[in-house]
Amino acid sequence: NAGVTQTPKFRVLKTGQSMTLLCAQDMNHEYMYWYRQDPGMGLRLIHYSVGEGTTAKGEVPDGYNVSRLKKQNFLLGLESAAPSQTSVYFCASSYDRGRHTGELFFGEGSRLTVL
Amino acid sequence: AQSVTQLGSHVSVSEGALVLLRCNYSSSVPPYLFWYVQYPNQGLQLLLKYTSAATLVKGINGFEAEFKKSETSFHLTKPSAHMSDAAEYFCAVRYSGGGADGLTFGKGTHLIIQP
Repeated sequence: NAGVTQTPKFRVLKTGQSMTLLCAQDMNHEYMYWYRQDPGMGLRLIHYSVGEGTTAKGEVPDGYNVSRLKKQNFLLGLESAAPSQTSVYFCASSYDRGRHTGELFFGEGSRLTVL
Repeated sequence: AQSVTQLGSHVSVSEGALVLLRCNYSSSVPPYLFWYVQYPNQGLQLLLKYTSAATLVKGINGFEAEFKKSETSFHLTKPSAHMSDAAEYFCAVRYSGGGADGLTFGKGTHLIIQP
């Protein structure tokens, strides 16, 4: 059982370039999330989704877009990368509210560097 | 807004000594509380969670935490530290009446184990 899988695990971009991070989960979870982790800041929520075809903004959504075309996949896009987006990105998923108490299952992270 | 405060960005203990990592949350509504551990270059792994059952919660690797409503605290403890416990620890909160917008994380505490 793979759980939550993120690709790519590492990426280096130049300022202004675009890219997409892919998150896939095989646990049939309804909810999916994208967080970024920066030193001394903990994890901050970028966007989340409560089901296929839905997305919502989190705490730090600016400069990112997301899509949830399939239940098992959640894509995070950067249209024009900036050095401030250098970070480690984590995808997570969870059951819907009726079946869980909030526990998130995390991927191993994607380290992005923007030069 | 909900928030989580972890006291001490770095905590250093000797191998075999007591580990105490502090977490306080802000809320007037009973929350769900979590401790996650992150080993270097890995994702976050759930250590334990409080979901309004027993106030003393036992987790993996010998860790436990006690929910104290009067102190709005959820401190993590382990009686005897092991070298393998060296990692980053995150406290997180989710409110029982909340929506799907994930967990709110503290900024993390880096646990250092001295030989």
